[in-house]
Amino acid sequence: GAVVSQHPSRVICKSGTSVKIECRSLDFQATTMFWYRQFPKQSLMLMATSNEGSKATYEQGVEKDKFLINHASLTLSTLTVTSAHPEDSSFYICSAGGPSVRVDYTFGSGTRLTVV
Amino acid sequence: QQQVKQSPQSLIVQKGGISIINCAYENTAFDYFPWYQQFPGKGPALLIAIRPDVSEKKEGRFTISFNKSAKQFSLHIMDSQPGDSATYFCAASRGRGNSNSGYALNFGKGTSLLVTP
Repeated sequence: GAVVSQHPSRVICKSGTSVKIECRSLDFQATTMFWYRQFPKQSLMLMATSNEGSKATYEQGVEKDKFLINHASLTLSTLTVTSAHPEDSSFYICSAGGPSVRVDYTFGSGTRLTVV
Repeated sequence: QQQVKQSPQSLIVQKGGISIINCAYENTAFDYFPWYQQFPGKGPALLIAIRPDVSEKKEGRFTISFNKSAKQFSLHIMDSQPGDSATYFCAASRGRGNSNSGYALNFGKGTSLLVTP
């Protein structure tokens, strides 16, 4: 149980376009989802926290207009990278949690974004 | 600001040896300390976690040692195997507290472990 599915696993997009990444909880209700970013050989850095039905809370230095987060249901959160630039190329990972599942227990498998 | 400091950055251990990774933290509000294993191109997977009310927790070949007064904790991998070669992250959070689902993690910088045959 407690499976988090992240899609796509890999995406390449042109500079200036937008990319949407999905994070789904498959077998539990995810009231909270965290979005992390990981640069090569670096640690995971929290970007934002999303609670179902509420606006996301962004960490300092993360542009909320660039990284749009929607958590409209108890099983789905999306991260949209708008007007992507090469410096946005990174590994994006979500984690999900709820009343029955710790949010630090289950991570998605990550999305490798490459902006060319 | 890195809230959790992890060392070493990389580690090479022979098969059958003991791998030891250390972490230190400053924020005394942290009360939950998990360790994760990450393979290239994958998300992190929870290995083992400890709360500060115990000094040691063992699960199979993995043991966490926790020193509350020193604000340090470490991961020991006994009988290390080539399949253990991965990046290991320590982390700290405030546990559940007032949150139903828990709080975001503060990760260490990671340790790249290579277990040689």
